[in-house]
Amino acid sequence: DTEVTQTPKHLVMGMTNKKSLKCEQHMGHRAMYWYKQKAKKPPELMFVYSYEKLSINESVPSRFSPECPNSSLLNLHLHALQPEDSALYLCASSSQEINSPLHFGNGTRLTVT
Amino acid sequence: RKEVEQDPGPFNVPEGATVAFNCTYSNSASQSFFWYRQDCRKEPKLLMSVYSSGNEDGRFTAQLNRASQYISLLIRDSKLSDSATYLCVVKQGGSYIPTFGRGTSLIVHP
Repeated sequence: DTEVTQTPKHLVMGMTNKKSLKCEQHMGHRAMYWYKQKAKKPPELMFVYSYEKLSINESVPSRFSPECPNSSLLNLHLHALQPEDSALYLCASSSQEINSPLHFGNGTRLTVT
Repeated sequence: RKEVEQDPGPFNVPEGATVAFNCTYSNSASQSFFWYRQDCRKEPKLLMSVYSSGNEDGRFTAQLNRASQYISLLIRDSKLSDSATYLCVVKQGGSYIPTFGRGTSLIVHP
């Protein structure tokens, strides 16, 4: 069982839709991450929140909008996506200690039609 | 030069074999090292952290060589269930942002 929970597990959306991905952790971690992963590639960092503040945005298009309502929750709002945005979206969390690993959620498999 | 490099493989080995992967990193300020395992269409899962003195967990042994800037993962007595992609992850000192290698694919066959 993963300690980081992501919903939904699968999502199919049209290019005009608005949807949100959700992530929750109760490990007291203060760093939370969104990654995008395409087939046969490593996870690609999108956003990092530290103490509920956005600390890193890896030049992600504005059609992806992150939100951190509190220390346990992380959302990714999606609007006007393109078919090439289809991928596995992974949420992760970690403590701020240097030796702390990332803990990943199960991911949301997104298909944009 | 990429910050973290791995041989993508695939490494194709029979059950019971011993297999080793290396991962090189370019930033000498790197301080934390991890191996993750990722099954097809699943999330990465932490296999083990890598400590300076090396560490072992059952059939898995991880080593760190700071002088040559690489980490290694040794799998003994390979099982069919070890088939997966193994991701090397490195964190620099003072940063909580990890850098991923591209992963090494392992296929264990009967």
